[in-house]
This record gives sequence, C-alpha cells and structure tokens, in this order.
Amino acid sequence: QSALTQPASVSGSPGQSITFSCAGTSSDVGDYNYVSWYQHHPGKAPKLMIYDVSNRPSGVSNRFSGSKSGNTASLTISGLRAEDEADYYCSSYTSSRALVVFGGGTKLTVL
Amino acid sequence: EVQLVQSGAEVKKPGEPLKISCKGSGYSFTTYWIGWVRQMPGKGLEWMGIIYPGDSGTRYSPSFQGQVTFSVDKSISTAYLQWSGLKASDTAMYYCARYSSSGKVDPWGQGTLVTVSS
Repeated sequence: QSALTQPASVSGSPGQSITFSCAGTSSDVGDYNYVSWYQHHPGKAPKLMIYDVSNRPSGVSNRFSGSKSGNTASLTISGLRAEDEADYYCSSYTSSRALVVFGGGTKLTVL
Repeated sequence: EVQLVQSGAEVKKPGEPLKISCKGSGYSFTTYWIGWVRQMPGKGLEWMGIIYPGDSGTRYSPSFQGQVTFSVDKSISTAYLQWSGLKASDTAMYYCARYSSSGKVDPWGQGTLVTVSS
C-alpha cells in the first residue's frame, strides 16, 4: 500500500491562507469520504483536525477546513498563526488490507 | 475525558523482546478499536494495524504482519504492542490511538520511544 502523496513543505506568513494537498487513488481518497487530517508538533501526540473530509472535531478552530475533489483531498488553514507551525498528515480509509494509509506529511513553516 | 496513556521510553539491545502498553480511560474500552502507528526518526507516520479489545480481533498492515504482535487485557483496559526480538530498525516512536470505522484516529497516546542499540 503506497502512502498518500503530500508536498514535503509549505510556508506562509501570519494572516495568510494556505492549502495542503493530499493525493491518493481510487482505492482510498477517491472511493471513500473518510479522509482525516492531523497536526503534529514535534514531541507531542498528533491531533485530529479534520475527519470525514470536512468535519471538525469539537474544539478545533474554524480556521481549519477540509475538502476533496476526485482522488485529491485538501486542508486549508485561514488566518495563519505562528502556533500553526507543525507537521500535517492526511490519512484515508483504504480498501487494502491495511485499512488506513497516511500521507508522508507536510511541514508548515510560518514565516 | 477520553485518554490513552502509554508506557515509558525503552532502551533495548538487538534480539531482546519488548512489550509496550497503552491504557485507555474515559470510554468503553472494549467497543473501540485501538490502532498502532510508527514514526521512525525524521520520518512520517506509518499505520501498523488495529486490535479490537472486545474479542482481540486484529488487522495488521502488510508491512508489519509477522513483525509485531498486538494484544489486549480487557480487565485493565490496556492494549499492548510486542516484539519477540528487536532489530535496530525498530528504533522509533510508537503511538497508540483509538480507531473509528471511518479511519478516524482520535485521541492519540503520548507515544513510547523505543531505542534499539548494541
């Protein structure tokens, strides 16, 4: 099972909006509305930010939003803040035996 | 509050066995799958598989099948990840997390750092 494809890094300035992409296949992202996004600060536990493509868990800022088109999912952060600087991982349910596949992660730098 | 608390960091030698733990609280432990995730140094998250505490049913990711073993002790709401003989390449941070059928993984444990070195 190949990992989902994410850009290695993105950067933005405070206040900007930034979008992360997550490319999968018709066996995962394209076939299921079960894409999740996780924020991971080094040394801490990953935190669920978006599930089922576009749903936010309670307590997650509405600056975070998710969407999907075909085999590609996206996470958008609006009003970028310094504390948003972290690694972001997408994941998807997959028809393969693994059940879940992660992306390689995108490192967000807030300039 | 739903919480998963993992056992502490381990330093082991190649070939030694190891079992790390993940204790759930704040929810019905037997009705949610527990997943395990590996993060090797400087790398991304890798899905290892899941175990259902209700009946100890397991689903291993093909990359980890035969390399590790998942188990649970329902009586103490604890899941385990174990190796029969560690390799240097098992050096990583290991996370447990509660898994939902849609692939949602939440919450996560704080992670257990496993270092394997001679």
